[in-house]
Amino acid sequence: DSGVTQTPKHLITATGQRVTLRCSPRSGDLSVYWYQQSLDQGLQFLIQYYNGEERAKGNILERFSAQQFPDLHSELNLSSLELGDSALYFCASSAGTSGFSYEQYFGPGTRLTVT
Amino acid sequence: AQKITQTQPGMFVQEKEAVTLDCTYDTSDPSYGLFWYKQPSSGEMIFLIYQGSYDQQNATEGRYSLNFQKARKSANLVISASQLGDSAMYFCAMSRPQTWTDFGNEKLTFGTGTRLTIIP
Repeated sequence: DSGVTQTPKHLITATGQRVTLRCSPRSGDLSVYWYQQSLDQGLQFLIQYYNGEERAKGNILERFSAQQFPDLHSELNLSSLELGDSALYFCASSAGTSGFSYEQYFGPGTRLTVT
Repeated sequence: AQKITQTQPGMFVQEKEAVTLDCTYDTSDPSYGLFWYKQPSSGEMIFLIYQGSYDQQNATEGRYSLNFQKARKSANLVISASQLGDSAMYFCAMSRPQTWTDFGNEKLTFGTGTRLTIIP
């Protein structure tokens, strides 16, 4: 158990809908990362938050947004869903302190199926 | 830009044998970190091992070791005495280090993965 929790585990929804994925980082971790894993794109970085502020953006669509709350949990909002958004969405957390890279610990993922 | 290449889409290995999973990387950054993750069929991503670009010794974690050859830009994962539970997808990844003045670079760039199957 990595200590990172994600809900829900599975999500099935229709095209055009909006969903929210939730992540709670490991205790004490300030950085939260969102990744998307799909068959055609592999594992891709979406966005990072550090202590409530957006830190970096990757290949995140404009239809997607995220935020990190004062208690450090994060939510990824996906709107106007398309079939191609079906994927496994991971949240990861790390200590986020200065220095060389720290390992990121991944949550169990949310499997999103858009029908 | 950082790039990770894993050239072995799949490998079959006899139980108890050692296995080497290949990973090469490309980056112009002088400082970087290299990681290996395991993804079993259940889907979770499990952190295995980390190697910093300035580390003098190869990283080891139990049965896992990272064969780091900086000049060749390779970071192969070696699993000793393989077990049936080692059957999974394995991903190599890299990131840049975070500093007080250079934020937002810690995102992981992943390779395409190697599917390892251990044969009894």
